[in-house]
Amino acid sequence: QLQLQESGPGLVKPSETLSLTCTVSGGSISSSSYYWGWIRQPPGKGLEWIGSIYYSGSTYYNPSLKSRVTISVDTSKNQFSLKLSSVTAADTAVYYCASLYGDTKGGAFDIWGQGTMVTVSS
Amino acid sequence: QSALTQPPSVSGSPGQSVTISCTGTSSDVGSYNRVSWYQQPPGTAPKLMIYEVSNRPSGVPDRFSGSKSGNTASLTISGLQAEDEADYYCSSYTSSSTFEVFGGGTKLTVL
Repeated sequence: QLQLQESGPGLVKPSETLSLTCTVSGGSISSSSYYWGWIRQPPGKGLEWIGSIYYSGSTYYNPSLKSRVTISVDTSKNQFSLKLSSVTAADTAVYYCASLYGDTKGGAFDIWGQGTMVTVSS
Repeated sequence: QSALTQPPSVSGSPGQSVTISCTGTSSDVGSYNRVSWYQQPPGTAPKLMIYEVSNRPSGVPDRFSGSKSGNTASLTISGLQAEDEADYYCSSYTSSSTFEVFGGGTKLTVL
């Protein structure tokens, strides 16, 4: 059974870079059936897709965040990572990683991590 | 990138049926059968309930069903139960941003 777990700092200072890692267990991140994604949810608000990556390294980013986002994959560690630069208080949110069963025309986020709260504050 | 449009809230009594709509455009819901629905009880991660408009993952009760007409997708929950009380989100592939977009979410209250 596929499981995902986010890890990273819970507090980031304004203007710095938020870095999170998602560790995949119970399956291979190199599966041809899956993309891997990051989604966030500000307190009391809805879900926002941040971006997705395929094991080959192909990436897809939310246009509103594209200039600040980098998603990468490490197949040797069965992990994928998120970096969000120049953060502000508006980036405070629960960050989820998830597996996306689909292809280049999107799909469904079928397995989610438990989420990790990241607060941007000095 | 505009979010898909959902009603902020819906409600129903136990045993009744409710339908939650998700309105997009011809760049997303209207042109692709890549609509998904997620259930999120308070304080928990979202759970996939419907994928590709109308398919249920294993373990999801058949009380949950999905459909689509034009640019609007719908999630119907029949035989409402107290445990169905949660936030529900739709999502779709979108050609306007080359991947995924979520709806704003709908809070379901079981009266």
